[in-house]
Amino acid sequence: GQNIDQPTEMTATEGAIVQINCTYQTSGFNGLFWYQQHAGEAPTFLSYNVLDGLEEKGRFSSFLSRSKGYSYLLLKELQMKDSASYLCAVRDSNYQLIWGAGTKLIIKP
Amino acid sequence: IAGITQAPTSQILAAGRRMTLRCTQDMRHNAMYWYRQDLGLGLRLIHYSNTAGTTGKGEVPDGYSVSRANTDDFPLTLASAVPSQTSVYFCASSDSTSGGQFFGPGTRLTVL
Repeated sequence: GQNIDQPTEMTATEGAIVQINCTYQTSGFNGLFWYQQHAGEAPTFLSYNVLDGLEEKGRFSSFLSRSKGYSYLLLKELQMKDSASYLCAVRDSNYQLIWGAGTKLIIKP
Repeated sequence: IAGITQAPTSQILAAGRRMTLRCTQDMRHNAMYWYRQDLGLGLRLIHYSNTAGTTGKGEVPDGYSVSRANTDDFPLTLASAVPSQTSVYFCASSDSTSGGQFFGPGTRLTVL
């Protein structure tokens, strides 16, 4: 079966750095997405990786290793507004997105 | 309209009733999707449409139907609602099957 694993919850301190990991086992691979979802709101797109390596976008970076079935989202200089759930999704061989359950990130002052 | 809209925002429904959730996008995206999101679970695909006039079944299609008469609209119908269909429903679209997806604000549905 297809499976996306990510931690259920993480806690970090304002101004610090946090890394959210995602491992996947899917039928085929056509890219990996990270989305941010604030409580009660819709998911919003953060990043996309299809090749191995690091993609940097401001305070957020995303890394992919296809051989290991592994990705992480790195958030730097954490702000209180970064408190949200972070969803990892993999596009499979049918070009459908398979979603992880999300990681709830709690930022403390 | 800017982006994707969904209606209603929330609804309480008696079991056995028929209900249509509406979704409209103005981005001229070819592909559209319906997901449900339940606590502790990832987003689960109900139905999708790669282009107007075509639809396909996702991971959890039973009890739901869709139509795609034009590019902009993608309604989701529950023919006879059951309590297990209580969930938050998100509509999404992308400019192709290979693009990232943009989400509507969601519909919170409670079936009693």
